[in-house]
Amino acid sequence: GQQVMQIPQYQHVQEGEDFTTYCNSSTTLSNIQWYKQRPGGHPVFLIQLVKSGEVKKQKRLTFQFGEAKKNSSLHITATQTTDVGTYFCADLWLTGKLIFGQGTTLQVKP
Amino acid sequence: DGGITQSPKYLFRKEGQNVTLSCEQNLNHDAMYWYRQDPGQGLRLIYYSQIVNDFQKGDIAEGYSVSREKKESFPLTVTSAQKNPTAFYLCASKPAGDTEAFFGQGTRLTVV
Repeated sequence: GQQVMQIPQYQHVQEGEDFTTYCNSSTTLSNIQWYKQRPGGHPVFLIQLVKSGEVKKQKRLTFQFGEAKKNSSLHITATQTTDVGTYFCADLWLTGKLIFGQGTTLQVKP
Repeated sequence: DGGITQSPKYLFRKEGQNVTLSCEQNLNHDAMYWYRQDPGQGLRLIYYSQIVNDFQKGDIAEGYSVSREKKESFPLTVTSAQKNPTAFYLCASKPAGDTEAFFGQGTRLTVV
């Protein structure tokens, strides 16, 4: 089936450094959702992007949707230890099918 | 207390036995999903259902079966045909349309 590729798989940063995860698709995405899963927990919704070129911010998190709607990114400014976890992008089809990327696991060293 | 309930949290079964994982939601959501999570492979879709009495296969449906007889319930059966069933299983639900999905706490299945 259609795949949503997410990179990198793992990222280790020093507290205070920035972090970015990228989500790419070979076909046009209907819309993109981002989720965060804390260690030992379940995924929790962060945000949804629908429009081409859309940019949304949540405090230190910035989400972007590419102009061609084939890629998206999540950028965290000045990481904190509370940012630790795995970040997933997910493609929500018009049919209701919800496909997740492989996730990027973020480790933050204090 | 509203939400999605998966039970049990941990489940052990012997190889060759079928096992059913429970997922119940009282959020009045139309859509429900089952995912399997393995280290380094993200969330892989097993089955999903948009409406009662209807469901579709996801990317890794082989060896699994589901039913959707009630809006609130979407049980997943892991059959003996599933070659590598040990994994963390997550159930999710969402309202119809461009909306967020809500996840249960997950069931960690170990087959020995």
